[in-house]
Amino acid sequence: ILNVEQSPQSLHVQEGDSTNFTCSFPSSNFYALHWYRWETAKSPEALFVMTLNGDEKKKGRISATLNTKEGYSYLYIKGSQPEDSATYLCAFETSYDKVIFGPGTSLSVIP
Amino acid sequence: SQTIHQWPATLVQPVGSPLSLECTVEGTSNPNLYWYRQAAGRGLQLLFYSVGIGQISSEVPQNLSASRPQDRQFILSSKKLLLSDSGFYLCAWSRRGNTEAFFGQGTRLTVV
Repeated sequence: ILNVEQSPQSLHVQEGDSTNFTCSFPSSNFYALHWYRWETAKSPEALFVMTLNGDEKKKGRISATLNTKEGYSYLYIKGSQPEDSATYLCAFETSYDKVIFGPGTSLSVIP
Repeated sequence: SQTIHQWPATLVQPVGSPLSLECTVEGTSNPNLYWYRQAAGRGLQLLFYSVGIGQISSEVPQNLSASRPQDRQFILSSKKLLLSDSGFYLCAWSRRGNTEAFFGQGTRLTVV
């Protein structure tokens, strides 16, 4: 059974704080690691897809890193804003096209 | 551009009734297709995925089934719904090869 874990389960931060979440995934059959942002009443939207060990990607104030050897990825948000409030999902894609999601980290940014 | 359509948006069904949720993708060919479910207070659970017509991989034993009768059509079915089938169902597609998945708008299913 492929298990993808995320921590923390939920997070409350003040506006302006920087924060980060963790995603851990199996080291076998790795193909790619995805990060998605899921706002209430909307569909999940992709933030990053990373494939290589050591990959770092950035989009505005959000960035992510990937360590395939130890099976973890970090998502960082610099200077959190209320509009960053959402559930952040990571997903592990196997070499045979299966995409398994973690349980998500729910972020609330308090103005 | 590619689009994904999923319907209906909401559904209330009695226990024991059948289910059919449909998902279609436009603007691409040979997509990978996925059905996920979010039960109350939980994350996205992969139910089925398909890499081609008639090819279905089932992830969790349950009373649901999936079919892919056409390249861009993915159907989730049940012959007899259970209360535990209630949840939010999402269809998604992706291209082969480390690309992001695109999601439909979801179906909120309540079994009563």
